[in-house]
Amino acid sequence: EVQLQQSGPELVKPGASVKISCKTSGYTFTEFTMHWVKQSHGKSLEWIGGINPNNGGTSYNQKFKGKATLTVDKSSSTAYMELRSLTSEDSAVYYCARVNWAYGMDYWGQGTSVTVSS
Amino acid sequence: DIQMTQSPASLAASVGETVTITCRASDNIYYSLAWYQQKQGKSPQLLIYNTNSLEDGVPSRFSGSGSGTQYSMKINSMQPEDTATYFCQQAYDVPWTFGGGTKLEIK
Repeated sequence: EVQLQQSGPELVKPGASVKISCKTSGYTFTEFTMHWVKQSHGKSLEWIGGINPNNGGTSYNQKFKGKATLTVDKSSSTAYMELRSLTSEDSAVYYCARVNWAYGMDYWGQGTSVTVSS
Repeated sequence: DIQMTQSPASLAASVGETVTITCRASDNIYYSLAWYQQKQGKSPQLLIYNTNSLEDGVPSRFSGSGSGTQYSMKINSMQPEDTATYFCQQAYDVPWTFGGGTKLEIK
């Protein structure tokens, strides 16, 4: 069974950084790209970017360049997203999602809530 | 960026009714269109990809169609468990973009 298990909720101060993890199981980690999506409270979805776990190649939404950095650890089949210089605008739920061969996000993590507050 | 305009923003349907949600892209996305269902407090779930391919395990009452810039998803015979918010998403061009969502409720 494919599973994506994300790290727990984060409460961080403005200006700080946070690193969210997405531990995968049930499939070969390097055979599918991993993407990250932001959902601000009660709103629609924003694609942050994606990473190829096989070679570390990344593609970012220009809006999140400088804000988000995507990495993977192949040894633990885990994807990471680091968000820096956090502001209240970064308060949201962040999802990791596996992408299939037809570019559909077929498995999602449970989401990680990030709250930026002093 | 390709803008995805989804309509309606919300609707209420009776059990057994047919529901249609549409998505208009600001440019041709060449069938690279997916639909997701998100229930309250849950992660989105893939329903349809490549315009009309049904994801494994998704009930056959869901279907997708379209081409160019105009796409739609239909639910034949609305069920109570279909209450959710639905999003379209294009994967033709970076950045991938989502529609604003359609909140579907039971009448």
